[in-house]
Amino acid sequence: DAKTTQPPSMDCAEGRAANLPCNHSTISGNEYVYWYRQIHSQGPQYIIHGLKNNETNEMASLIITEDRKSSTLILPHATLRDTAVYYCIACMDSNYQLIWGAGTKLIIKP
Amino acid sequence: GAVVSQHPSRVICKSGTSVKIECRSLDFQATTMFWYRQFPKQSLMLMATSNEGSKATYEQGVEKDKFLINHASLTLSTLTVTSAHPEDSSFYICSATEGRSYNEQFFGPGTRLTVL
Repeated sequence: DAKTTQPPSMDCAEGRAANLPCNHSTISGNEYVYWYRQIHSQGPQYIIHGLKNNETNEMASLIITEDRKSSTLILPHATLRDTAVYYCIACMDSNYQLIWGAGTKLIIKP
Repeated sequence: GAVVSQHPSRVICKSGTSVKIECRSLDFQATTMFWYRQFPKQSLMLMATSNEGSKATYEQGVEKDKFLINHASLTLSTLTVTSAHPEDSSFYICSATEGRSYNEQFFGPGTRLTVL
């Protein structure tokens, strides 16, 4: 699986859009980009995933660059409950083994 | 939908005892279940992968005789920490997948194990 690089921490004001970057410069053509988050002392929660095209669901949007070497997770209107560690993972669709990096600790401030 | 439960949520035990943690998929059949361990301020580390009815596949460095995994049905997997020691104190998390075409794993709430 491709290695991903994320900033260790970020702050965002409540109500603003939170943009979390992820670099995956060695991603291969059949690897997807997955985003999970983990609120303190809870199990991780799936957010979104994509291959090439931008994706949007009720939780977030995922913007993947054309060369697929980086992506951005967007939480459009961040709330205090979005404070969590966000993990960007690149892996093949058929490989269920997720390799977890350090993630980005996102703190939403009132 | 897609809820995974774990029991117990917290357990404190004496050194040398064994502890069993249950992981259940409540509203779907889990073809594959995963067990992770997470130490404070660290990321999740995959311990093992299990498929219903077959032996678990353990990650390198994880002792299979110490961490016994049983995946007896499509909705239940158990992790038994045998002869627990203080260094086994950790947050244990299970996840399950329905085996659909994409890798969306559903995670349990985790079990906090403290070995005295």
